[in-house]
Amino acid sequence: ETGVTQTPRHLVMGMTNKKSLKCEQHLGHNAMYWYKQSAKKPLELMFVYNFKEQTENNSVPSRFSPECPNSSHLFLHLHTLQPEDSALYLCASSQGGQGAYGYTFGSGTRLTVV
Amino acid sequence: DAKTTQPTSMDCAEGRAANLPCNHSTISGNEYVYWYRQIHSQGPQYIIHGLKNNETNEMASLIITEDRKSSTLILPHATLRDTAVYYCIVRVEAGGTSYGKLTFGQGTILTVHP
Repeated sequence: ETGVTQTPRHLVMGMTNKKSLKCEQHLGHNAMYWYKQSAKKPLELMFVYNFKEQTENNSVPSRFSPECPNSSHLFLHLHTLQPEDSALYLCASSQGGQGAYGYTFGSGTRLTVV
Repeated sequence: DAKTTQPTSMDCAEGRAANLPCNHSTISGNEYVYWYRQIHSQGPQYIIHGLKNNETNEMASLIITEDRKSSTLILPHATLRDTAVYYCIVRVEAGGTSYGKLTFGQGTILTVHP
């Protein structure tokens, strides 16, 4: 257990479904991130939240909708996904000022879109 | 952030030292070298970081050349559990409440064999 918990670990959804991924951290970190890792590709940063405010959206399609109700929780709402969206979705958190060594990743949600 | 170049894959015998190189010839004076690793289907895990001095912790050692254009991560006694993708990342230290983001490349696939 890293201190960042992601649920569910595995998710299979149809293209017309709506589902949500959840990320929770109790490390006192103020920044939270969503990354996507497709097969044989590097991790891609999707969204960044700092003190609950979205600070980065790296041209992510609108079928992915993040939500950060507080500094401890981060959601990724999914709707009308495509099969190419199948990937490992990773959440991470960090404390401002600590640099990259302060990043803690969750174990990820393995998403399969059918 | 400076670009890094790593070999695609490396092998190491169990119990021997694993030496993973990274080139970062365009690194600037305020950029740190960070190493993370990702064991299959898990989130990346921080290993070590440094600016210009060699660093050692319970997991590994980091050797940075005097001109800072390359570095080597050393796992002194590799075990089968060290089989993973190792990422070398160069970036500036985040300051204050700034979060700083991690950008991942392809990394090096290290396979430790019996």
